[in-house]
Amino acid sequence: NAGVTQTPKFRILKIGQSMTLQCTQDMNHNYMYWYRQDPGMGLKLIYYSVGAGITDKGEVPNGYNVSRSTTEDFPLRLELAAPSQTSVYFCASRPGSANTEAFFGQGTRLTVV
Amino acid sequence: GDSVTQMEGPVTLSEEAFLTINCTYTATGYPSLFWYVQYPGEGLQLLLKATKADDKGSNKGFEATYRKETTSFHLEKGSVQVSDSAVYFCALRRDDKIIFGKGTRLHILP
Repeated sequence: NAGVTQTPKFRILKIGQSMTLQCTQDMNHNYMYWYRQDPGMGLKLIYYSVGAGITDKGEVPNGYNVSRSTTEDFPLRLELAAPSQTSVYFCASRPGSANTEAFFGQGTRLTVV
Repeated sequence: GDSVTQMEGPVTLSEEAFLTINCTYTATGYPSLFWYVQYPGEGLQLLLKATKADDKGSNKGFEATYRKETTSFHLEKGSVQVSDSAVYFCALRRDDKIIFGKGTRLHILP
């Protein structure tokens, strides 16, 4: 059982470039999340989705876009990379039922130079 | 809005010492509360959870009690090991969102 899989694990981008961080889960979870983790700042919610075709903004959505065309996949798009987007990005998923915890991927370390 | 506040780190203890990491929250209603642990180079994994007032979550010797009256969910362990060195995150879930604290880095010295 693979759980939540993120690709790539590491990436260096130049300012202004674009990229998509991939996230897929094989647990048939309805809810999926994208967080960024900055040193000493904990995890900040970027976007989340409660099911295929439904997405909503979190605390720090600016500079990012998401889509959720299937239950399994929840890609995060950076259109014009900026140094402020240097961070570690985590994808997570959880079942739709109440009181359930989230399962996390291994993270993508992104550096924008 | 909802928020989680946990004690600043790093916390450094000797092996077999008693551990407390404080966590308080602000939220309307009755959120579910969690502690997650992150080992170096890895994602977060659930350590324990509590879903209603006075519930006690426990796992691997760690415990935390959901205190509605003090809006707290402090993490405790009676005797820490070197292998407990990690970053610990307190979190709450209300409705669709999960909100995390800033994390507390724990170092255990042999």
